[in-house]
Amino acid sequence: DAGVIQSPRHEVTEMGQEVTLRCKPISGHNSLFWYRQTMMRGLELLIYFNNNVPIDDSGMPEDRFSAKMPNASFSTLKIQPSEPRDSAVYFCASSLAYLGTGTGRNEQYFGPGTRLTVT
Amino acid sequence: SQQGEEDPQALSIQEGENATMNCSYKTSINNLQWYRQNSGRGLVHLILIRSNEREKHSGRLRVTLDTSKKSSSLLITASRAADTASYFCATRGSNYKLTFGKGTLLTVNP
Repeated sequence: DAGVIQSPRHEVTEMGQEVTLRCKPISGHNSLFWYRQTMMRGLELLIYFNNNVPIDDSGMPEDRFSAKMPNASFSTLKIQPSEPRDSAVYFCASSLAYLGTGTGRNEQYFGPGTRLTVT
Repeated sequence: SQQGEEDPQALSIQEGENATMNCSYKTSINNLQWYRQNSGRGLVHLILIRSNEREKHSGRLRVTLDTSKKSSSLLITASRAADTASYFCATRGSNYKLTFGKGTLLTVNP
């Protein structure tokens, strides 16, 4: 398996522009996570999908951020309009997750990330 | 606040030495996981320890978990320059979420 695939790997854009980040999870995984990583705040969970349905978007910082998962093999994270403070590395991760209690594993597999720079 | 907090924030050792990193957390967990991140790359899962386990080994990695103290440690034995990376602990509670700490930057000098 190719692992989690993200595109683009690098994105430089001007403030106010729309940015779309893409993710292809590992085939067979039923959970997908979008994270943002900065030096100041570390790794933050933005949104979580299970079976293509958004379960928790409480980490999405503002209405400027939106995410979709139209099918099991594709997800997008969109920022519109982008701002300089959105500059960060955005990671997508997938897992074969089991909701609810129990001692399930739920280890996550991360993509290589998209480094976003908003000027 | 972060569920997992790694200690130290940075660690520099010589090749061949052992490296120990610690993680403390605040609430009850289902399992605790350690991840490695090389510069400019995504995180890679290393090892998982369940809440009912006390110690686990995987190659040169040894993880311990003390749920009474809400702490875990990751030991890398006989370190190599290729082990240079940031190491994160992540805790999983009763739901799907993993909560990551800010990581320990390990530098192994050849």
